[in-house]
Amino acid sequence: KQEVTQIPAALSVPEGENLVLNCSFTDSAIYNLQWFRQDPGKGLTSLLLIQSSQREQTSGRLNASLDKSSGRSTLYIAASQPGDSATYLCAVRRGLYNFNKFYFGSGTKLNVKP
Amino acid sequence: NAGVTQTPKFQVLKTGQSMTLQCAQDMNHNSMYWYRQDPGMGLRLIYYSASEGTTDKGEVPNGYNVSRLNKREFSLRLESAAPSQTSVYFCASRGGHYGYTFGSGTRLTVV
Repeated sequence: KQEVTQIPAALSVPEGENLVLNCSFTDSAIYNLQWFRQDPGKGLTSLLLIQSSQREQTSGRLNASLDKSSGRSTLYIAASQPGDSATYLCAVRRGLYNFNKFYFGSGTKLNVKP
Repeated sequence: NAGVTQTPKFQVLKTGQSMTLQCAQDMNHNSMYWYRQDPGMGLRLIYYSASEGTTDKGEVPNGYNVSRLNKREFSLRLESAAPSQTSVYFCASRGGHYGYTFGSGTRLTVV
């Protein structure tokens, strides 16, 4: 079974700092990996999706990388802002036709202090 | 706005009562999912539907039933609610090579 781990579980940084969130997975045979943001009491908002053939994806101040061989993905947030405070989750999809095979990490709770 | 719509947003049930959580998507996605999210447990898959007319059990299906009414709608039913089903329930859909789109969730409390 695929296991997805996110470390640290919580992170507090001052505004303006660049930061990296980590996601590791045990089985490198993945189809894609998705990063989400979840605000308290809200649903999950998709941030970035990386297909297994890609190395990275960028959206604004966010950059996600994927290294299948080492079983790792990182989410880089540049010039962090208080509005970035949320829980960030990664999810790994097993294969194209494995409809139920999405595995979620337990998330990293980010607090950006003004 | 395109996306996944869940109703209701909040619900309180008494033990033994039944209810149906509704989910609809307007993105023409084939696959739809029901998850529950509990503190310290992360997201756990209850049921999924790979396409219209099919449903399958996920990780924690006991106590739940689902119906894929058509391509747009996927409902989750609790026949006899138990306090252990107190949770936040999320519906999601996915199409093709793309990732998930989630609804905003239903906060269910069973007393």
